[in-house]
Amino acid sequence: DAGITQSPRHKVTETGTPVTLRCHQTENHRYMYWYRQDPGHGLRLIHYSYGVKDTDKGEVSDGYSVSRSKTEDFLLTLESATSSQTSVYFCAISEPYSGANVLTFGAGSRLTVL
Amino acid sequence: QQQVKQSPQSLIVQKGGISIINCAYENTAFDYFPWYQQFPGKGPALLIAIRPDVSEKKEGRFTISFNKSAKQFSLHIMDSQPGDSATYFCAVQYNFNKFYFGSGTKLNVKP
Repeated sequence: DAGITQSPRHKVTETGTPVTLRCHQTENHRYMYWYRQDPGHGLRLIHYSYGVKDTDKGEVSDGYSVSRSKTEDFLLTLESATSSQTSVYFCAISEPYSGANVLTFGAGSRLTVL
Repeated sequence: QQQVKQSPQSLIVQKGGISIINCAYENTAFDYFPWYQQFPGKGPALLIAIRPDVSEKKEGRFTISFNKSAKQFSLHIMDSQPGDSATYFCAVQYNFNKFYFGSGTKLNVKP
């Protein structure tokens, strides 16, 4: 997975609890992303980062926050998890490919909120 | 609003047949059109991609056809194999590092 590690890979939690997902990359890429994948919706962007401490919202950012204090780590936090946040979460980096940029994804983190 | 519309949602093809997945977009500012393949339990992986100034790109059994005037692009899998069974996503790129994805097509190739 091009040096992208997501943790935890699986988590079950209860409604109202905070949850943090971690994405770690080893190749010093500037852009990092968090997507969620749900049936019928494909991949939807939650937040992305274009450098240390530089982040921006995606199309489904409500209920999520992110932080990037080091180039290699991008954290996604659910301040108070809800059942609608049950999903598979993917971290990605943007890297050059044939004169353009493409995304390379991690293996995913499956979150279940009871 | 959905930036990329992908169809069909699911597809069943016999081994050796041709699988065709279609995507349509509205925004002409998109500048790169990749396709991703995802196997169960794995993250999506880049399969093939095309620039808007090219009408077709072929890599092995996989071909992208691009129709700029119609704002449509499609993935063709020739001689489909059971190992091709996966979920396929089209995507569009803009501003070099921003991406939108289609809703995905689950392909099942029957032996």
